[in-house]
Amino acid sequence: EIVLTQSPDALSLSPGERATLSCRASQSISSRYLAWYQQKPGQAPRLLIYGASSRATGIPDRFSGSGSGTDFTLTISRLEREDFAVYYCQPYGDSRGFGQGTKVEIK
Amino acid sequence: DVQLLESGGGLVQPGGSLRLSCAASGFTFSNYVMSWVRQDPGKGLDWVSAIDGSSSSTYYADSVKGRFTISRDNSKNTLYLQMSSLRAEDTAVYYCAKGSRAGTPYYFDFWGQGALVTVSS
Repeated sequence: EIVLTQSPDALSLSPGERATLSCRASQSISSRYLAWYQQKPGQAPRLLIYGASSRATGIPDRFSGSGSGTDFTLTISRLEREDFAVYYCQPYGDSRGFGQGTKVEIK
Repeated sequence: DVQLLESGGGLVQPGGSLRLSCAASGFTFSNYVMSWVRQDPGKGLDWVSAIDGSSSSTYYADSVKGRFTISRDNSKNTLYLQMSSLRAEDTAVYYCAKGSRAGTPYYFDFWGQGALVTVSS
């Protein structure tokens, strides 16, 4: 089972700033099978990124994913108020576990 | 539009049973893996179980293996999770999630709003 560690646990930023979230896997994730999800309070998670770098339908281009092997990054280029949420990474090849999440909060 | 609507949550005593349902619409249900993911209130996401489109393969997290059973009725476009021998640590919001394809590998492209299960005496 692949263990995912997200960092930081929380990030305090202002609207307009850049957010960089990290997801590190305990072993290499094949074929870049990594997804990112966003979850706002009281809501279900929403798919943002799949295949490490492909944006899901309707996701703004300020969200971008990168990485391979064991190190992956989600970048939000200019934070908007609706982006303040918790973000989870998940491998989707042979493993199903989620990272513990990174909370992006308003500074 | 894809819609997933969970039902069947509630309060149950330790050792008891409960069945969750997820009514799906807006896509060809039998063509996709379906899954259950749970979340302790205020905590992270925890994958529980998955089933392929034809019900030929099912998968479970170690924490629920032998106690939970996933199933689907493609004629009713409905996913189920039969939960038995429930424990306090099974208390969570249970989300129904649609897989991106019929088999592995798949990510979760749509999620329901969740059903709260509380295990307490």
